[in-house]
Amino acid sequence: EAGVTQFPSHSVIEKGQTVTLRCDPISGHDNLYWYRRVMGKEIKFLLHFVKESKQDESGMPNNRFLAERTGGTYSTLKVQPAELEDSGVYFCASSQDGGFDANTGELFFGEGSRLTVL
Amino acid sequence: AQKITQTQPGMFVQEKEAVTLDCTYDTSDQSYGLFWYKQPSSGEMIFLIYQGSYDEQNATEGRYSLNFQKARKSANLVISASQLGDSAMYFCAMREVYNTDKLIFGTGTRLQVFP
Repeated sequence: EAGVTQFPSHSVIEKGQTVTLRCDPISGHDNLYWYRRVMGKEIKFLLHFVKESKQDESGMPNNRFLAERTGGTYSTLKVQPAELEDSGVYFCASSQDGGFDANTGELFFGEGSRLTVL
Repeated sequence: AQKITQTQPGMFVQEKEAVTLDCTYDTSDQSYGLFWYKQPSSGEMIFLIYQGSYDEQNATEGRYSLNFQKARKSANLVISASQLGDSAMYFCAMREVYNTDKLIFGTGTRLQVFP
C-alpha cells in the first residue's frame, strides 16, 4: 500500500511567485494534515481536513496560504505570493480515525516538500 | 499553552551504546498522548513510540522505550544498542485528547551514531 506522497520534493522560487504543493494521503484516510518546519524551529501545525472540509485551520500563517481538498482525496497547498519567510519543509500527514486513537494516535507522514524562496 | 521542549540540539553516541533524548512538555489537560518520530535524511517522518497520559507502564517498542515521568512532565526517549542507522533527527510531540486533533512538536534533536 502506498504511503503519503508529496510533490514536488523540492521547489525553488523567487519572492512574489506562486507555488502549489500537493499531497496524496493514504487511500481511505479521511484526515489530512499540513505541517511546516522552518529551518531550526519546531514543526508547526497548519491545518486539518476531514474529507473535504477544513476542521481546523488555526495554524495557517496568513491569507497568502490557501489549502484545498476537493473531493476529499488529495490536497493542495498554494502559497501566493511567496515571501522569504515561507521557506521551509512542508509536511503532509494522514490518518484514518479522527480524534484520539487510544492505541497509537499515529499520523502517517509524507517525506515533505522543501520550499526555498529566493 | 501546550509546549514541547527538547533541549538537546545534537547528541552523539557510540554504536551499541544506549542514548537518552530529552523531552519535557507543558499542558493543562489531563488526557494527552506523547509521541516520538524519527526523521532520517530521506525526509519522511517515521513514528517510533507512543505513551498515553493514563498509561501506567512506560511504552516500549523494540530498542525504543519511553521514560515517562508524569509528575516531572518528561517523556524521554531511550534508544538501546544504538545502530548507525539510528542517525537522524528525533522529534517529540504531544497531542491533547479533547482540545485539538493536532500534534505539537519540539524543535528536534539530531542524533549521530559513530562506529
